[in-house]
Amino acid sequence: KAGVTQTPRYLIKTRGQQVTLSCSPISGHRSVSWYQQTPGQGLQFLFEYFSETQRNKGNFPGRFSGRQFSNSRSEMNVSTLELGDSALYLCASSLDGRLSGELFFGEGSRLTVL
Amino acid sequence: QKEVEQNSGPLSVPEGAIASLNCTYSDRVSQSFFWYRQYSGKSPELIMSIYSNGDKEDGRFTAQLNKASQYVSLLIRDSQPSDSATYLCASLMNRDDKIIFGKGTRLHILP
Repeated sequence: KAGVTQTPRYLIKTRGQQVTLSCSPISGHRSVSWYQQTPGQGLQFLFEYFSETQRNKGNFPGRFSGRQFSNSRSEMNVSTLELGDSALYLCASSLDGRLSGELFFGEGSRLTVL
Repeated sequence: QKEVEQNSGPLSVPEGAIASLNCTYSDRVSQSFFWYRQYSGKSPELIMSIYSNGDKEDGRFTAQLNKASQYVSLLIRDSQPSDSATYLCASLMNRDDKIIFGKGTRLHILP
């Protein structure tokens, strides 16, 4: 069974640009959550999607957005990039994150903003 | 107060000893708690979940939950060098259904 796949794995952008990250969950999983991981703040919750609907949202500015498609694949977008957006962005899938809490993480997309 | 708090470490434990990792949480109504392990350069993986007060054992791992004290711990018996990693405590916040992580504790098992 294939795991959670995130693309791209690494990317470098400059301030003001935007970026789109992609996540393909484990087959059959309907919940996709996104987290930002930095050395100083740890894992911070961005948002969760379930059946194409944003079910929950963390405390990030509106520059961070996401969506989920009918096949459960998800994308997140960060517009007007800032230096502080440099981080590892982790996607996690679950059958239903709300109930089980068992999240399966992808390898992450490491974003560097110059 | 942070929603889920952990000592960042590093916690150094001799091989073969018991490693004890601790976590406190702020949401009194949280019901579900999880321990994830993250090796350097890798993504987190779930190793234990606990929902009721008391102990839950799985192999060398024991999770302990004390809801009155809002305290969760993870014990690793017979620690091995391969246990060296960052351990993340997480809670499913009932008030808004988010899974929130602590910043993690770095564990170093000394050979």
